[in-house]
Amino acid sequence: QVQLQQWGAGLLKPSETLSLTCGVYGGSFSYSYWSWIRQSPGKGLEWIGEINHSGSTTYSPPLTSRVTISVDTSKNQFSLKLTSVTAADTAVYYCARGQGFHNWLDPWGQGILVTVSS
Amino acid sequence: SSELTQDPAASVALGQTVRITCQGDSLRRYYASWYQQKPGQAPVLVLYDKNNRPSGIPDRFSGSSSGNTASLTITGTQAEDEADYYCKSRMVFGGGTKLTVL
Repeated sequence: QVQLQQWGAGLLKPSETLSLTCGVYGGSFSYSYWSWIRQSPGKGLEWIGEINHSGSTTYSPPLTSRVTISVDTSKNQFSLKLTSVTAADTAVYYCARGQGFHNWLDPWGQGILVTVSS
Repeated sequence: SSELTQDPAASVALGQTVRITCQGDSLRRYYASWYQQKPGQAPVLVLYDKNNRPSGIPDRFSGSSSGNTASLTITGTQAEDEADYYCKSRMVFGGGTKLTVL
């Protein structure tokens, strides 16, 4: 059974770069899309982007200029970088596995609260 | 348009049936998946590919789709079903529906 575990810095200053990593345990890293999603406090879910095992990426259009998702298949990990953060990027960030043509997300990581504050 | 629209809130009496809907043009081509989120927890997949349930999800959860609308139905709603529910189609989430069980 696949499990995802996330880690990374939880407190950033404006203009810094957010960096999070998600480890995939207990299953194959191939044949899935690996996604990042965020949720601002009290708000809904926002899809950030995804990557497959070969490194092909798709990003949310509003974030594409600041987002990079990468994969390290040797470690079964994928990572998120978001540059030039502002207070608006304060959110709980989740990683998740995307499956199937219709790209449902299961399972999810535990989530990490990233706060941007001066 | 790539947006998905959900009613912000819904309520249901304990043991009754509730339908939560999700509307958007992308649903004409792509099935929705549905996620349950309880306070302080990560979302959990409850339905995918219109009406498939992951292992461990009770069969009181069911789904349907017609045109630009996808629906999640909970039959015989339990107190533990009180949560936020989000639909997703391709790269977009709906705004979420807060379900209250009375």
